[in-house]
Amino acid sequence: NAGVTQTPKFQVLKTGQSMTLQCAQDMNHEYMSWYRQDPGMGLRLIHYSVGAGITDQGEVPNGYNVSRSTTEDFPLRLLSAAPSQTSVYFCASSSGVLNGYTFGSGTRLTVV
Amino acid sequence: EDQVTQSPEALRLQEGESSSLNCSYTVSGLRGLFWYRQDPGKGPEFLFTLYSAGEEKEKERLKATLTKKESFLHITAPKPEDSATYLCAVQARIYNQGGKLIFGQGTELSVKP
Repeated sequence: NAGVTQTPKFQVLKTGQSMTLQCAQDMNHEYMSWYRQDPGMGLRLIHYSVGAGITDQGEVPNGYNVSRSTTEDFPLRLLSAAPSQTSVYFCASSSGVLNGYTFGSGTRLTVV
Repeated sequence: EDQVTQSPEALRLQEGESSSLNCSYTVSGLRGLFWYRQDPGKGPEFLFTLYSAGEEKEKERLKATLTKKESFLHITAPKPEDSATYLCAVQARIYNQGGKLIFGQGTELSVKP
């Protein structure tokens, strides 16, 4: 049982480049979310999904896209990277509305 | 607007010195309040879910309580391995499909031997 797997662990992008952060879980969880964590700002929700084919926006969705074609995978796409998107990104999954989320180990992204 | 505020931002304790962390929340109908622990360089780890005022949950040296406006995380006789950032999050009833957590900024706890 690997839990929630995020790749890559570290990434440096140039302004304007696009990329996809990968997230996969092997627990058959319906709920998945993407957060970014910045110093002094806490964890902020970017997008979330309550099942395959269903996604919704969180607090800070601008500049990011998601899709959920399978239960296992929930990739986060940066359309045109900006320095303001420099952050640590966490993917999380849960089996129910009030069950605790299992978080991945994070992707540290730097945009120069 | 839903909001979660944690205090203090940082807390330094001596081993064995009990204390409490606070999480104040404003939400349009609370569905659940969550506590997480986060170690440096790692993702948050789930600790507790509290559903209604008056509820309490315990795990080892940690005890979480909930009122209508705030939650406390009590740490009894802490050890150095309890050092971490503790995060509080809420989910509002208005989010019918669930999945939408609002996090506080966290309390960084340091326990010295």
